[in-house]
Amino acid sequence: GNSVTQMEGPVTLSEEAFLTINCTYTATGYPSLFWYVQYPGEGLQLLLKATKADDKGSNKGFEATYRKETTSFHLEKGSVQVSDSAVYFCALSDPVSNTGNQFYFGTGTSLTVIP
Amino acid sequence: DTGVSQDPRHKITKRGQNVTFRCDPISEHNRLYWYRQTLGQGPEFLTYFQNEAQLEKSRLLSDRFSAERPKGSFSTLEIQRTEQGDSAMYLCASSQAGLGETQYFGPGTRLLVL
Repeated sequence: GNSVTQMEGPVTLSEEAFLTINCTYTATGYPSLFWYVQYPGEGLQLLLKATKADDKGSNKGFEATYRKETTSFHLEKGSVQVSDSAVYFCALSDPVSNTGNQFYFGTGTSLTVIP
Repeated sequence: DTGVSQDPRHKITKRGQNVTFRCDPISEHNRLYWYRQTLGQGPEFLTYFQNEAQLEKSRLLSDRFSAERPKGSFSTLEIQRTEQGDSAMYLCASSQAGLGETQYFGPGTRLLVL
C-alpha cells in the first residue's frame, strides 16, 4: 500500500541554521510527492512538489529531490527564518494504484525557529 | 481565484446532534476531497468527488458520515449523531484532474463535540 513516514518533531533551530526534515515513502505505483506547510491558525499550503524520479521541487528557499532509489523526499533549507516556524507535512499521491488520487500524509513535523 | 472556503470555521455541538459543514472549491476545479485531521496527525482521507459523482466513499469513518456535491460545485459533509471521538479538524481540498495534480486546501472546520 501507500504510506509516508516523516521525521518526528518538534524541531527547534536558531535563525540561519540549516534545516533537514526527512521523509520516506512506500508506494505501489509511481507517485507524485509533495510538501505542504501549515502556519498557526491556517490551512495547508503547497510548498513544493515533484512528479517523477530525480525531479527537484523548490520554493521560498526550500528544496526537495525525489529519490526513487531511496524512496525519499527530504525537505531542506539552507538558512531558516523565524517566519518559517510552522508544521510541515510530506505527502504522496498515487493515482495509478488507487482511485481518486487521494493524498497520503505523514504525521507532520513542527518547526520552531528562534531568533 | 478566491481559494477554497469552508463554513463554519468552528463548530461546538453536543453529543448526539447532527452537524453539516460546507466547502466551496476553486471554481474551475472538478475534484473535491474531504479529509479529517486530528491533533498531531496528518490529514486522513475520507471521500472524493469528481464533478457531482462521489467516486470513493469507502474511507468514510462510519455510516454516520455522508457527503454530497449535488451540482458539482460546493459540497457538504454531514455527521449524524455526533460522538466525542468526532472532534477534529475537517478539511476540504479541490483540484483539477491531471498528472501530478495539486490539491488546494481550505482553512478547515474545527469541530468540538461536548
